[in-house]
Amino acid sequence: QLVLTQPPSASASLGASVKLTCTLSSGHSNYAIAWHQQQPEKGPRCLLKINSDGSHIRGDGIPARFSGSSSGAERYLVISSLQSEDEADYYCQTWATGIQLFGGGTKLTVL
Amino acid sequence: EVHLVESGGVVVQPGGSLRLSCAASGFTFDDYAMNWVRRAPGKGLEWVALVSWDGKDSYYADSVKGRFTISRDNSKNSLFLQINSLRAEDSAFYYCAKGETVAPSFFDFWGQGTLVTVSS
Repeated sequence: QLVLTQPPSASASLGASVKLTCTLSSGHSNYAIAWHQQQPEKGPRCLLKINSDGSHIRGDGIPARFSGSSSGAERYLVISSLQSEDEADYYCQTWATGIQLFGGGTKLTVL
Repeated sequence: EVHLVESGGVVVQPGGSLRLSCAASGFTFDDYAMNWVRRAPGKGLEWVALVSWDGKDSYYADSVKGRFTISRDNSKNSLFLQINSLRAEDSAFYYCAKGETVAPSFFDFWGQGTLVTVSS
């Protein structure tokens, strides 16, 4: 069964970097995923898509301080030079014919 | 510039029905699959439904099958979600999301959402 697992929370200091993790279920390590950010009181926005080889493309207007990588069944979102507006919920998403799936989300706190 | 604007969210009684709309602009609407996603209070994002570029194929989350119907009108660049037999657990912000391609793929643009509240 296709499942995405994310830790519920993460924190990092202003100006630092943080690495968020999304883990694909067993047997699905070749799936691409996308990362989405949802700031408080706003609609989500697409940050980037990551392929199983770690190659990634950023969403429309997303700055270069958002990047992605991959290792086995894990897909990462790295945010560098953290800003206060990065405090948000982050979701990974994957897809197959007839289904779209989100991870449970990670709430990022910027200290 | 891509814009997706949802409307139709209201307060409705359990068992009631409503229709959500999403007006799309800034891209060739009938070149892409479209989706509805919701977020209930205190919960995460939940995919609800997908419709193919031509409206001929649709897919639903198990939680809404048989009660929700997704459709589109390509002549009006509009996406719809008909919701019947509403339950308290359907209370959520509903977002329309554009697929990145005509085939199943990730969502590259989102709307700001419309709020549905199911309450007596």
